[in-house]
Amino acid sequence: GAGVSQSPSNKVTEKGKDVELRCDPISGHTALYWYRQSLGQGLEFLIYFQGNSAPDKSGLPSDRFSAERTGGSVSTLTIQRTQQEDSAVYLCASSPRDRSYEQYFGPGTRLTVT
Amino acid sequence: AQSVTQPDIHITVSEGASLELRCNYSYGATPYLFWYVQSPGQGLQLLLKYFSGDTLVQGIKGFEAEFKRSQSSFNLRKPSVHWSDAAEYFCAVGAGGFTGGGNKLTFGTGTQLKVEL
Repeated sequence: GAGVSQSPSNKVTEKGKDVELRCDPISGHTALYWYRQSLGQGLEFLIYFQGNSAPDKSGLPSDRFSAERTGGSVSTLTIQRTQQEDSAVYLCASSPRDRSYEQYFGPGTRLTVT
Repeated sequence: AQSVTQPDIHITVSEGASLELRCNYSYGATPYLFWYVQSPGQGLQLLLKYFSGDTLVQGIKGFEAEFKRSQSSFNLRKPSVHWSDAAEYFCAVGAGGFTGGGNKLTFGTGTQLKVEL
């Protein structure tokens, strides 16, 4: 079946602009995760959604970052007033409710802030 | 807090040779351990996982890993490497699938594998 999809695959934006990154999880998966992969920091957890529960936002690096998940499916990660240090690959993963440890990753969105 | 160490940043092996990638973790309870592989421009693919039971786990693409609690290690092995195995490999530890915080993963810094023909 279809895997996790993310769009856009690449995004170049100017410093100070807002960006939205989209994630479509695998159909039926209830859990959704966002991670960030950057040269200086490696792979970092950002935020986690599980069903209708309040999201775990403990990994968001600043209040410029936010995410929402509509209808328990598609998720959007928003970065406001982008900074150069936000340049990274943003990875989304989803997992089924009964195997939340088994995360399936999308191909990522490469964000470049100029 | 949980942490993962992958001491080898780069490893080069000849095709057909055996491979071992090292991973050490720090976690206060029984960890959930994972190995992922990332090819250039691709997302992460799960190779194998360990939760409990048999400490030697088999994964896809002929990989296996052994959990050694006494050494806090979860090394990845493959008896004979193929050129297509060249990629970056990440070890990760999770808090478990049954906690209120989900199973957010903590990753190591990765090991870049180069395969010489």
